[in-house]
Amino acid sequence: DAGVIQSPRHEVTEMGQEVTLRCKPISGHNSLFWYRQTMMRGLELLIYFNNNVPIDDSGMPEDRFSAKMPNASFSTLKIQPSEPRDSAVYFCASSRSTSEQYFGPGTRLTVT
Amino acid sequence: DAKTTQPTSMDCAEGRAANLPCNHSTISGNEYVYWYRQIHSQGPQYIIHGLKNNETNEMASLIITEDRKSSTLILPHATLRDTAVYYCIVRTPNTGNQFYFGTGTSLTVIP
Repeated sequence: DAGVIQSPRHEVTEMGQEVTLRCKPISGHNSLFWYRQTMMRGLELLIYFNNNVPIDDSGMPEDRFSAKMPNASFSTLKIQPSEPRDSAVYFCASSRSTSEQYFGPGTRLTVT
Repeated sequence: DAKTTQPTSMDCAEGRAANLPCNHSTISGNEYVYWYRQIHSQGPQYIIHGLKNNETNEMASLIITEDRKSSTLILPHATLRDTAVYYCIVRTPNTGNQFYFGTGTSLTVIP
């Protein structure tokens, strides 16, 4: 199994631009999670989906952030417009129902 | 979910056992204890989990006290590749599959 796949691995963009992060979960997993990690705040859960449906988005910082899961094998996290304080490593993870989560390698986002 | 408390950092000599403690004094009867680790610049990696009984797998052992208020993750023969931040997480199974990561313990394995 290829594991959780995220793209791009690195993204550098200017303030005000739209950023789209992508995730392909492990085949057969029905839960998908987006996390953000910074030095100041550690690892934070942003949103999670179960069977492609968003269950809890209380961690999404503001309306500039949105996430979609159009099918079981693909999810996006979009930031529009991006701001320098959005700079962080964004992780995607997947799991089967209530089992352990498997994390992707992350996308390192830098907004200048 | 119950709160967990871990030491900020620990050192361990290579080849020796690394014992990482975690306090979860407010844990409820149906809450599981999970351990993850994060090696620098990588995504967190699942290690082990348990409810009441001690657990062992190819990576580590998990010792949970009888009152379940604390646990210890044991890496039997630490190697330099075990240098990482180790997170102890308590999860309630009925609240979905959400994990809340604290600050963890930064383990440094010394040659």
